Amino acid sequence: NAGVMQNPRHLVRRRGQEARLRCSPMKGHSHVYWYRQLPEEGLKFMVYLQKENIIDESGMPKERFSAEFPKEGPSILRIQQVVRGDSAAYFCASSREGGETQYFGPGTRLLVL
Amino acid sequence: QKEVEQDPGPLSVPEGAIVSLNCTYSNSAFQYFMWYRQYSRKGPELLMYTYSSGNKEDGRFTAQVDKSSKYISLFIRDSQPSDSATYLCAKGGQAGTALIFGKGTTLSVSS
Repeated sequence: NAGVMQNPRHLVRRRGQEARLRCSPMKGHSHVYWYRQLPEEGLKFMVYLQKENIIDESGMPKERFSAEFPKEGPSILRIQQVVRGDSAAYFCASSREGGETQYFGPGTRLLVL
Repeated sequence: QKEVEQDPGPLSVPEGAIVSLNCTYSNSAFQYFMWYRQYSRKGPELLMYTYSSGNKEDGRFTAQVDKSSKYISLFIRDSQPSDSATYLCAKGGQAGTALIFGKGTTLSVSS
């Protein structure tokens, strides 16, 4: 059952370090979405990517956050110089070409000390 | 006004009860409505999605959309303790559109 895979599942970083979160979409899916879930908050969209292209990054913070989806390999969400407010669950979702439904991975829980 | 409003609960019911979960939305530009179930510390799992007004049934679950009143509902029949989770409603559009989620309703079904 090749669902959406994310790693690591848990990540602990100290303030100022970098966090790299990886996502492999479901087999046959070429679209990747990243969402963030803060405590007591709903899921918030961050960025939508296709292979080698960022399509919509309207939900990404303007600084310190970046995302990529290279031709080969997983999608990466990168957070530079993490701060405590970055502590959250980060979820990746994928969809097939032309598909409206998004399937989510298990998430990466980032804790910034 | 938030685009998707959802009562966070918590909602507690006895096993076997019929559960009604509801959301309202404010922007009619979206066409698709989804319900996700999220167990504690897990990823959201797609339960149902609907495109138009009316009902869609899948086993014990029924999703209902009323576009005229901008109201979406999920009904769970014969609720089970394993249904205890947070239920998220979401609206979306065509492929490649970001989903907009409600905050989720936490449901607890006691045996």
